[in-house]
Amino acid sequence: EIVLTQSPATLSLSPGESATLSCGASQIISGSYLAWYQQRPGLAPRLLIYDASSRATGIPDRFSGSGSGTDFTLTISRLEPEDFAVYYCQKYGSSPPFTFGPGTKVDIK
Amino acid sequence: EVQLVQSGAEVKKSGESLRIACKGSGYSFTNYWISWVRQMPGKGPEWMGRIDPSDSSTDYSPSFQGHVTISADRSTTTAYLQWSSLKASDSAMYYCARGIAVAGNGRDYWGQGTLVTVSS
Repeated sequence: EIVLTQSPATLSLSPGESATLSCGASQIISGSYLAWYQQRPGLAPRLLIYDASSRATGIPDRFSGSGSGTDFTLTISRLEPEDFAVYYCQKYGSSPPFTFGPGTKVDIK
Repeated sequence: EVQLVQSGAEVKKSGESLRIACKGSGYSFTNYWISWVRQMPGKGPEWMGRIDPSDSSTDYSPSFQGHVTISADRSTTTAYLQWSSLKASDSAMYYCARGIAVAGNGRDYWGQGTLVTVSS
């Protein structure tokens, strides 16, 4: 079973700054089947990025994803107030389970 | 409009059984897998498993296999998550979702969540 790690656990930034979040996998994720989600308090997660680098429907272009193999990155350029939230990566593909990472909290500095 | 509407909050005791529901509407129910996701208080989401409503085939996370059962009823376009014997550690928010963990899919839909509270 592939285990995901995320770093840092918390990122303290100011609006307008850029955020770089990392997700690492214990084994190669074939097909780059890696997604990123945003979760705000009291709400369900929301898909931001799928297949490592494709933006989900309706997601602003300040969100971008990159990476392959075991190392993946979510970049948020020009943080908006609504971007302060928790971000999770998730691996999927042909082999369940489709585990989530432990999350990175982006909070206001 | 695609919607996933979940059943209401539940308060149960350890050892009791429970089934929670997720009704899909606004799309062809049999065309999309439904996943169930657990989120314990203050913790991250955990993928529990999924069902293909077209043939009721399922995949489970090893962490949940044998403790929960995922099913679907095509006639009522409803997916279910059930326990035969609840534990206090099952207390959590449970979400159903469509379109997550699917290659090439950029649109997700989530239910509003069902809060399950189990007292010992």
